Parts: sequence; C-alpha cells; structure tokens
Amino acid sequence: GESVGLHLPTLSVQEGDNSIINCAYSNSASDYFIWYKQESGKGPQFIIDIRSNMDKRQGQRVTVLLNKTVKHLSLQIAATQPGDSAVYFCAENRYGGSQGNLIFGKGTKLSVKP
Amino acid sequence: ETGVTQSPTHLIKTRGQQVTLRCSSQSGHNTVSWYQQALGQGPQFIFQYYREEENGRGNFPPRFSGLQFPNYSSELNVNALELDDSALYLCASSLDRINSPLHFGNGTRLTVT
Repeated sequence: GESVGLHLPTLSVQEGDNSIINCAYSNSASDYFIWYKQESGKGPQFIIDIRSNMDKRQGQRVTVLLNKTVKHLSLQIAATQPGDSAVYFCAENRYGGSQGNLIFGKGTKLSVKP
Repeated sequence: ETGVTQSPTHLIKTRGQQVTLRCSSQSGHNTVSWYQQALGQGPQFIFQYYREEENGRGNFPPRFSGLQFPNYSSELNVNALELDDSALYLCASSLDRINSPLHFGNGTRLTVT
C-alpha cells in the first residue's frame, strides 16, 4: 500500500498509554485547525477540528489543544490502540473562509506497540 | 452514506502525456478540492471547485486544470506531465465552502516515467 511515513518524525508508544502529537503552525492569522489521520494506502481521515476562539476541544478519546500565543497545536489520544498507528497531520486554514485551502504540516508517524 | 470515491486507484503515464483523474463527492457535498501528496509529505492544495467554478487555487501551474459537474463530481486534468508530477492525488469534498471539514478519498497514485 501507499507509504506516507518515510522520513517523518516518529512517536512510538505502548498500547494503552496516552499519546501526544505536537504541531507548530506558522501563520497567526490562521483561525481554523484540523487533525487528520492517514493510514497506509488511504486518504486522510478527519479526526477533530478547533477554531481559534477555543483553546481546547474534546472528541472520543481525542483532545486537541490550541495555544495561539506560541502558535502550537497538539493532539492527545487516550488509551492508544494498535489501530491508532498511522501518520497524523495537522492542517491550518489561513483565510478564515473557504475550507478547501488547507495548509498541511509534515506529519508525525505514530507507532503503537502491542 | 457513500464517501468520496476516486478513479483510477493507480496510473502510470509517460512524461509529456496528459492525464484525467476522477472524483465523486460524498453525498450531499457541493464543494470539491484537489490535493497533491508527494511521498513523505503532507498534501498540498491544488484548487477547489464550488458550483462548477474554480474557487481558489494553490501554487500549481496552469497545466493543472479541473472541472466540476452539476452532480458535484469533479475531474483533475494534468497536461504535459513531468516526472515531478508523480504523487498521490487526493480529492476531498465538503458540505460547503466554509465551516465544514474536508472528507478525503483514498487517492489516485500517479507515476510518471
């Protein structure tokens, strides 16, 4: 299948542990942020999003934190499972309008050890 | 609910040729965006279509063009293929242009030799 994890930062965690994936964004004008998960051979899958008027948002087993002061975004995955193994991308929108033009980060490969 | 589907899944072309990639958007979605993903990189925005018109374009040359049809499906056309065009081409649809996240298909892997 498609390999998207070449030469990417890698995070290796034990099954059941919590994972934290970090992302720095570049444009202080960005007002919408999304985390995507991409498994080998598949397209990016939406996980969770957050707008700049919030600093935290929770989903099922996932939490996104936004620190606008330092332009930092993180994704926390609780009780990490083998199925969480994938490449994770943060994406930002720089225009506050059309959601089509997302700027993606380089990605982090998460490996979960059973 | 049918997700975003793309065809073909894999394609091999020769430098200088032309290629057309196809995308069917998720049911109810009226906006389609195309991205190029090189190996080991994040996707890069090519352009977006809304109501059959281009609605934003990334830093790609004019030989990358597209269409959106009344049923919201879309095509990506690339002329005069170059070796660097080898990549995974992703289509994403959304409920509207704003305030709704993109939902991606599994892409077309294009190899230019």
